[in-house]
Amino acid sequence: GAVVSQHPSWVICKSGTSVKIECRSLDFQATTMFWYRQFPKQSLMLMATSNEGSKATYEQGVEKDKFLINHASLTLSTLTVTSAHPEDSSFYICSARDSGQKGNTIYFGEGSWLTVV
Amino acid sequence: QQQVKQSPQSLIVQKGGIPIINCAYENTAFDYFPWYQQFPGKGPALLIAIRPDVSEKKEGRFTISFNKSAKQFSLHIMDSQPGDSATYFCAASRGDYKLSFGAGTTVTVRA
Repeated sequence: GAVVSQHPSWVICKSGTSVKIECRSLDFQATTMFWYRQFPKQSLMLMATSNEGSKATYEQGVEKDKFLINHASLTLSTLTVTSAHPEDSSFYICSARDSGQKGNTIYFGEGSWLTVV
Repeated sequence: QQQVKQSPQSLIVQKGGIPIINCAYENTAFDYFPWYQQFPGKGPALLIAIRPDVSEKKEGRFTISFNKSAKQFSLHIMDSQPGDSATYFCAASRGDYKLSFGAGTTVTVRA
């Protein structure tokens, strides 16, 4: 079946540094990918929509200069958390739309745990 | 404002029981209704999805019932097993494919 891979699975970084998370669609092309954030025991919150070859669109309240998104190819989107602070610690999850499937099925990656110390 | 309301927050069933999770939505533009299963520390995994032109869909032990007029849909897990213990999320999206998630339901299946 379709697989979406995220890397790294977990990362610890120092406050003030930047960290990049990759999201890859392994067996399909994804013109659209999405980035979510999830706090413990809560639902997924959509942060932004990543469109291949164009700028990402951010949800209300999400700082686009802090959460940089790049969708350079049909199989890769990256999320860079810039100048990370402890409150950015969270579970970040990407999803990708398989536009080749009837109904545009959306698959999720395994998530990336970010801890800012 | 949560666009998809999910209930209950949690439920416990015995092995073989049928957990039922309900979701309701307001936006009639939604045309894709998936259910995801999430284990602790993992990303959500697509279980089953339905579109408004179908009233019921089964995949293995999982069944979605969809009531378009009531704007409600539900997930039934038949013959539930301890391995089904997880958090389940309903979701909905329009043509922009941005998923709006319910709050999640933690299901515990006791052996």
